[in-house]
Amino acid sequence: DTGVSQNPRHKITKRGQNVTFRCDPISEHNRLYWYRQTLGQGPEFLTYFQNEAQLEKSRLLSDRFSAERPKGSFSTLEIQRTEQGDSAMYLCASSLAVAATNEKLFFGSGTQLSVL
Amino acid sequence: EDQVTQSPEALRLQEGESSSLNCSYTVSGLRGLFWYRQDPGKGPEFLFTLYSAGEEKEKERLKATLTKKESFLHITAPKPEDSATYLCAVQANPRSGGGNKLTFGTGTQLKVEL
Repeated sequence: DTGVSQNPRHKITKRGQNVTFRCDPISEHNRLYWYRQTLGQGPEFLTYFQNEAQLEKSRLLSDRFSAERPKGSFSTLEIQRTEQGDSAMYLCASSLAVAATNEKLFFGSGTQLSVL
Repeated sequence: EDQVTQSPEALRLQEGESSSLNCSYTVSGLRGLFWYRQDPGKGPEFLFTLYSAGEEKEKERLKATLTKKESFLHITAPKPEDSATYLCAVQANPRSGGGNKLTFGTGTQLKVEL
């Protein structure tokens, strides 16, 4: 068990460019979450998947953001036409959700995005 | 909308000086309250889940308690390695309209000095 892996660790891009991040969850985990965190703030929910199905998206999530989890394994988060306000740490978390029990989220170390 | 407020924003302690961190919350039916520790440049690390008022959980020098309106994280005789940001989060009951997301507070940045 190597934990949740996120790549790249850092990404610097110019405004208007598209970026894609990857998350590899813990292998047996069925749920995968994306959060965004800015300096001095707590993580903010973006979206989550149960297996390959995207079950919930934040109402704050711009349509420039899209996430996929093909085959219920790794996930990608794409941001199109990046803006300076997109600069943040993008965190991925996974969990093994069993019906009627609360789940424990395991977070990766995040991808730090800087939009110039 | 679910809300979590943590205080203080920052706390500086001497090694061995015990203290408490506060997490006040409003949620449409609490499913769980979570405490996480976050070190600089890392993702949050799970500490505790509390489910109902009156519940307490302990791990080494940390003890978390829960009431209907707030949670406390008590740190007994802290050491420098306890320095980190401590995050509180709530998860709403799906029957109350909440999904599976966690709503986080802004955290308490703890610094323990020798």
